[in-house]
Amino acid sequence: QTQLVESGGGVVQPGTSLRLSCAASGFIFSAYGMHWVRQAPGKGLEWVAGIRYDGSNEYYADSVKARFIVSRDNTKNTLYLQLNRLRVEDTAVYYCARGGEKGFDAWGQGTMVTVSS
Amino acid sequence: EIVLTQSPGTLSLSPGERATLSCRASQNVFSSYLAWYQQKPGQPPRLLIYGASSRATGIPDRFSGSGSGTDFTLTISRLQPEDFAVYYCQQYGNSPYTFGQGTKLEIK
Repeated sequence: QTQLVESGGGVVQPGTSLRLSCAASGFIFSAYGMHWVRQAPGKGLEWVAGIRYDGSNEYYADSVKARFIVSRDNTKNTLYLQLNRLRVEDTAVYYCARGGEKGFDAWGQGTMVTVSS
Repeated sequence: EIVLTQSPGTLSLSPGERATLSCRASQNVFSSYLAWYQQKPGQPPRLLIYGASSRATGIPDRFSGSGSGTDFTLTISRLQPEDFAVYYCQQYGNSPYTFGQGTKLEIK
């Protein structure tokens, strides 16, 4: 069955970096666009970044543009999110999700990123 | 950026009642690429509706979506105890793929 498993979260200081990973299984990873969505504690969902199925295009929310980088390795069935110059307001659960014409139809359980001094 | 505004913010109903949730977009949603998600505490979102009106796999037929352009509705025909949760709409036709702020459906 389709499975997405995020990892790499943790507690970091403002201004530092972190890399999140999302391991995919149970479907043809290279055929789907993939996305990162975050949720700050007690808040709603915020789309963060997306990448086309072949990695040819990346898309970002204005709030993370020029700080975060989304990438993928289709040989490893893995999606990544490089978080640079982290801010306190980046504190959230980060979900990876599979995208397509049918919306975001598969989600991981999320990984928590806490940015605090 | 397309801004999605959901109403009401909180909806208090009893099991067996009908729920109607609204999602209004600041501009036309491309190709009706509008989705609805349900989220329960401590869980990731679950896709309910895509393409404004198509039910996702395994979603009960008491959930239905309608609308086009800028106005969309999620209807739950007969509320079950497990339906009380937060619901989000999302447009995924144009980047950034924005979400609404959510509607909390609570037991009256």
